[in-house]
Amino acid sequence: DAKTTQPTSMDCAEGRAANLPCNHSTISGNEYVYWYRQIHSQGPQYIIHGLKNNETNEMASLIITEDRKSSTLILPHATLRDTAVYYCIVRVGDSGYALNFGKGTSLLVTP
Amino acid sequence: DGGITQSPKYLFRKEGQNVTLSCEQNLNHDAMYWYRQDPGQGLRLIYYSQIVNDFQKGDIAEGYSVSREKKESFPLTVTSAQKNPTAFYLCASSRRLRASYNEQFFGPGTRLTVL
Repeated sequence: DAKTTQPTSMDCAEGRAANLPCNHSTISGNEYVYWYRQIHSQGPQYIIHGLKNNETNEMASLIITEDRKSSTLILPHATLRDTAVYYCIVRVGDSGYALNFGKGTSLLVTP
Repeated sequence: DGGITQSPKYLFRKEGQNVTLSCEQNLNHDAMYWYRQDPGQGLRLIYYSQIVNDFQKGDIAEGYSVSREKKESFPLTVTSAQKNPTAFYLCASSRRLRASYNEQFFGPGTRLTVL
């Protein structure tokens, strides 16, 4: 699976959009981009995933660059409850057996 | 409500004792996983199972054992051979091991402290 690079930490003001970047420059054509988050002392929670196109669901939007070497997770109106560690994971959809969680980005949403 | 349950939430054991962590899911998922998380670190895979009566070692299986006698249950035993067992243990499941995408659902975790 391709390796990902994320900033260690970010801050965001409540009500503003939180844009979390992820670099995956070695991604191959059949690898998906997944985002999970983990609120302190809880299990990780799936947010969104994508292959080539931008994706949106009730939680977030995922913007993948045309060359697929990077992506951005957007939380459109961050709340205090969005404070968590966000993991960007790249893996081949139909192989492998687990998600490679790195250290992620610690997002702090402030009042 | 469908989901994954882990019990207990907090567990304390004396050094040298084996301990079994429970994981149950009612999502009808085929695949189940155990991860370990240490403070400030990401998750590391201990064991996974893609079907009843089958399981495979992950990256850090030494000192752990599992069983998969029922589809909905995947207990993890932390044995006395595990040199540093104090950690946060997470169980997860997914519809099947190999799929076009592999959304994993996680339980709330068990925090094990060995005294």
